[in-house]
Amino acid sequence: ETGVTQSPTHLIKTRGQQVTLRCSSQSGHNTVSWYQQALGQGPQFIFQYYREEENGRGNFPPRFSGLQFPNYSSELNVNALELDDSALYLCASSSGPPGDTQYFGPGTRLTVL
Amino acid sequence: AQSVTQPDIHITVSEGASLELRCNYSYGATPYLFWYVQSPGQGLQLLLKYFSGDTLVQGIKGFEAEFKRSQSSFNLRKPSVHWSDAAEYFCAVGAINFNKFYFGSGTKLNVKP
Repeated sequence: ETGVTQSPTHLIKTRGQQVTLRCSSQSGHNTVSWYQQALGQGPQFIFQYYREEENGRGNFPPRFSGLQFPNYSSELNVNALELDDSALYLCASSSGPPGDTQYFGPGTRLTVL
Repeated sequence: AQSVTQPDIHITVSEGASLELRCNYSYGATPYLFWYVQSPGQGLQLLLKYFSGDTLVQGIKGFEAEFKRSQSSFNLRKPSVHWSDAAEYFCAVGAINFNKFYFGSGTKLNVKP
């Protein structure tokens, strides 16, 4: 059984660009949640996808968007990058209907210059 | 509004000493509470969770936590800390249908030899 994987590991972008981060769920999991963890902070919930539909959203602007695919892998897209978007982006999967136990990936470190 | 407060940013304890990490939450309904640990370069790992029933819950690695509704607290404890427990610890609260999660800002634990 493979765990949650994320790609890429690190990414450097410039302000105004767009970025796509990817997540593969743990086998058998149909729910994916994305989090932003700024340096020295706790994870902030961005949104959750369950069976390819957005199932919950945190206080993030619309330029943060996502997709979940039929194989339950997921993408996080961020448009018009800002310096404050620099953070570790975490993906977590769980079995649904959305479950209490989330399994986290190692994250993607995004740096916006 | 839902929120989680971890008042202690850093804590240092000697190996073998007892540990208590504080967590206070604000949530409008019955909270679903979690403690996670994050080691450098590692994903978040669930230590324990509380939904209902016995207010003292046992987790992995010898950790336990006690839910106190009257104090809106969910403090994490360990009787004897090991050097390998040095990490960052996050308290979190989950929405009733687990479609949103709110994390505290974390407590960094250092363990002195």
